[in-house]
Amino acid sequence: KAGVTQTPRYLIKTRGQQVTLSCSPISGHRSVSWYQQTPGQGLQFLFEYFSETQRNKGNFPGRFSGRQFSNSRSEMNVSTLELGDSALYLCASSLVSGSTGELFFGEGSRLTVL
Amino acid sequence: QKEVEQNSGPLSVPEGAIASLNCTYSDRVSQSFFWYRQYSGKSPELIMSIYSNGDKEDGRFTAQLNKASQYVSLLIRDSQPSDSATYLCAAKNAGKSTFGDGTTLTVKP
Repeated sequence: KAGVTQTPRYLIKTRGQQVTLSCSPISGHRSVSWYQQTPGQGLQFLFEYFSETQRNKGNFPGRFSGRQFSNSRSEMNVSTLELGDSALYLCASSLVSGSTGELFFGEGSRLTVL
Repeated sequence: QKEVEQNSGPLSVPEGAIASLNCTYSDRVSQSFFWYRQYSGKSPELIMSIYSNGDKEDGRFTAQLNKASQYVSLLIRDSQPSDSATYLCAAKNAGKSTFGDGTTLTVKP
């Protein structure tokens, strides 16, 4: 069974630009969550999508947005990039939404903002 | 106070010893608890999940949960050098997993 696939793996952007990251979950998984990982803040929850609906959202500014398609694939977008957005962005899929359900992470998209 | 706190590392144990990792959480509505392992430069991978009070064993790993004390732990028996990694504790509620900062474990041959 294929794991969670994230693209692109690495990208470099400049301040003010926008970026779109893509995530394909494990087949059959309908929940997709996004996390930001930085050395200073650790792993922080961005949002969760289930059946094309955003179920929960973390404490990030509105520049961070996402969506989920009918095939459960998800994208997240960051607009007006800032230097502090440099991070590893991890997508995780889960069989179920809610308070149970283990997360299976992709390899991440490493974003560098110059 | 962070929502999920882990004992500060790094933690170093000799090969074959028991490694004990601890975690406390502040949100009483959290219903599920997980331990993830993250090797340097890699993404987190699930080791254990625990949902009810008590112990749960899986091979060399034992997770313990005490909801009254808001405490979760992970014991690794017969530690191996390949267990050297950062271990992340997570509490989950309503689709959101909150992670601790992690404890870095080094197992010395």
